[in-house]
Amino acid sequence: DGGITQSPKYLFRKEGQNVTLSCEQNLNHDAMYWYRQDPGQGLRLIYYSQIVNDFQKGDIAEGYSVSREKKESFPLTVTSAQKNPTAFYLCASSKSGGSGANVLTFGAGSRLTVL
Amino acid sequence: GQNIDQPTEMTATEGAIVQINCTYQTSGFNGLFWYQQHAGEAPTFLSYNVLDGLEEKGRFSSFLSRSKGYSYLLLKELQMKDSASYLCAVMDSNYQLIWGAGTKLIIKP
Repeated sequence: DGGITQSPKYLFRKEGQNVTLSCEQNLNHDAMYWYRQDPGQGLRLIYYSQIVNDFQKGDIAEGYSVSREKKESFPLTVTSAQKNPTAFYLCASSKSGGSGANVLTFGAGSRLTVL
Repeated sequence: GQNIDQPTEMTATEGAIVQINCTYQTSGFNGLFWYQQHAGEAPTFLSYNVLDGLEEKGRFSSFLSRSKGYSYLLLKELQMKDSASYLCAVMDSNYQLIWGAGTKLIIKP
């Protein structure tokens, strides 16, 4: 079955460490996204990519980095520059990024806790 | 600024009907989405409205009024498994999704 796989599901990090969250999809979707979800807030876009080797900053890109070397993969690195990284991170994909009926398929999420 | 408003929490009884409202103020409009998210899990797509009116899909229906900046999700014959958060999102003129904070729906027997 096609879908999006995120790993790890839970991750603990010490302050000052970089961590990388994995996101892999086998849906043949062109567009991929990273969102952050905090209690009481809507999803906030970190980065998105509409095509291989290209990505754009979202609303809260500071302290994060991404790469899109393959269509299937869109890893997110949370760097030590991110001041408040404890959150639930969601990866999503869609057939294309620039159309109206752009339904997102989400991964199961990665919960990052900074100790 | 852009804004999506939904009630934070609602409670309903198993077998009943509940309506979850969403009002929005965005830069342009290219459609409104509803997603369901069970605690600790991925959001899943429920509905998409781009024209005014009601879209029915089984026990779930979604309504849109673009002139009022308003939508609602109607859930009928509530089941315990419908306990979840319901996320409203609007696609703006740049095809970017603006998300509400979600409405936590609690179903009581």
